[in-house]
Parts: sequence; C-alpha cells; structure tokens
Amino acid sequence: QKEVEQNSGPLSVPEGAIASLNCTYSDRGSQSFFWYRQYSGKSPELIMFIYSNGDKEDGRFTAQLNKASQYVSLLIRDSQPSDSATYLCAVNIGEAGNMLTFGGGTRLMVKP
Amino acid sequence: ETGVTQTPRHLVMGMTNKKSLKCEQHLGHNAMYWYKQSAKKPLELMFVYNFKEQTENNSVPSRFSPECPNSSHLFLHLHTLQPEDSALYLCASRQEAGLLKAFFGQGTRLTVV
Repeated sequence: QKEVEQNSGPLSVPEGAIASLNCTYSDRGSQSFFWYRQYSGKSPELIMFIYSNGDKEDGRFTAQLNKASQYVSLLIRDSQPSDSATYLCAVNIGEAGNMLTFGGGTRLMVKP
Repeated sequence: ETGVTQTPRHLVMGMTNKKSLKCEQHLGHNAMYWYKQSAKKPLELMFVYNFKEQTENNSVPSRFSPECPNSSHLFLHLHTLQPEDSALYLCASRQEAGLLKAFFGQGTRLTVV
C-alpha cells in the first residue's frame, strides 16, 4: 500500500464548477496535511494546509480532513481555467513525522 | 518567489562526471529536504536534514551524497550517475522537520548522458 494515494486523473470540470480532489494516507499517526499545486515544468506551490479534523476554508479553496478515515480532500469552488494543474497531497509520516511524503498527484483540467 | 534558491537550474552531465547541486534559503528555516521528480512518477523524498543533522535517508543510492554545512545551505553531490537518474531535483525548506509549511525551490533539471 502506498503511503499517500491520489487518483491520477485527469479530472475534468467545466469553468465555474466545484472540483473535488481526494487523498488517502496510511500512517495513522500523521498530524499535518498539505495541498500543493504544480504547473507543468514548475515546482510545487503550497496552497492549503490543515491539522485538525473538519473543514478549513481559504478563498475558493476548502480543505477537509477526516483522521478516522485517513482521508483529506480539497475542494475548489468556481473553478477557473488557471486552476488547471496537478494537485499534490502531502503528509508528514514516520516516527518523528519528519518525512513530508507526497502522493502521485491529480491532474485537474478546467474547461472554459 | 519562495525564498528557496536552487542552482544550477539546468545541468547536463556524463556518467563519469562529478557535479553538485546547491540549495540556499535565508528564511530562518532549520529543516531542508531533497526530492527527486521523474516523469510520470510521484515526488520521491531523498534526504531530510533538521538543524544540520541528517534525519532521514530514504534508501537513496550512494552515488547521491548530501551535505548540509549550515541550516541555510544544502548540497547534493553527484557522481557516476546513470541515465535513469535524469529528473527534476527539488529542494524544500521548512521551519523544522515535521512542522509547518514547506517551500520549494525552482528545481534543477538534471540530464545524465
């Protein structure tokens, strides 16, 4: 079992719709969770982080965490073509929680 | 601009060459990371340094040798690489390993010929 899993996509949504991206992780002790966006040929850019169960909203982005189900998601409201990118879920794993480990990413395509 | 700078941005090296990648941050962070990103593969964690001490080596071959002389600088020394080592090598830093957000440099695109 991979430590951090994401559906590779592509996930295609029309402009203005809600895009829902999902991630599961294997380490029950993980305490912090991050979403990064990566445009083709560029390095990952942090867009959200969440530490507690529940929802966290920042502008058009909402991160949702359910530690019991080992599940974290990212919702993007009012999706724009500029949101088209690969979204990477990252989780601190390991005994000391030092290993920031990434999923394979979900490619999102927002169609005008 | 994240405040994490990697040089060079592009590197082509032969299998018998020795080269080094450099990462620098002046954000006051104490943890630095090396990642490898190959085409169509997830970001692979290679090494973790926390307060200049290596805390994680994710089963990386010895032809990759990291060095962290201080909390602001991280190097990846390369020797006798293979063509399959061609990838984007990314450096990241955060306040402490395991804490808070990590920020990435722009990466070094390495091609081994």
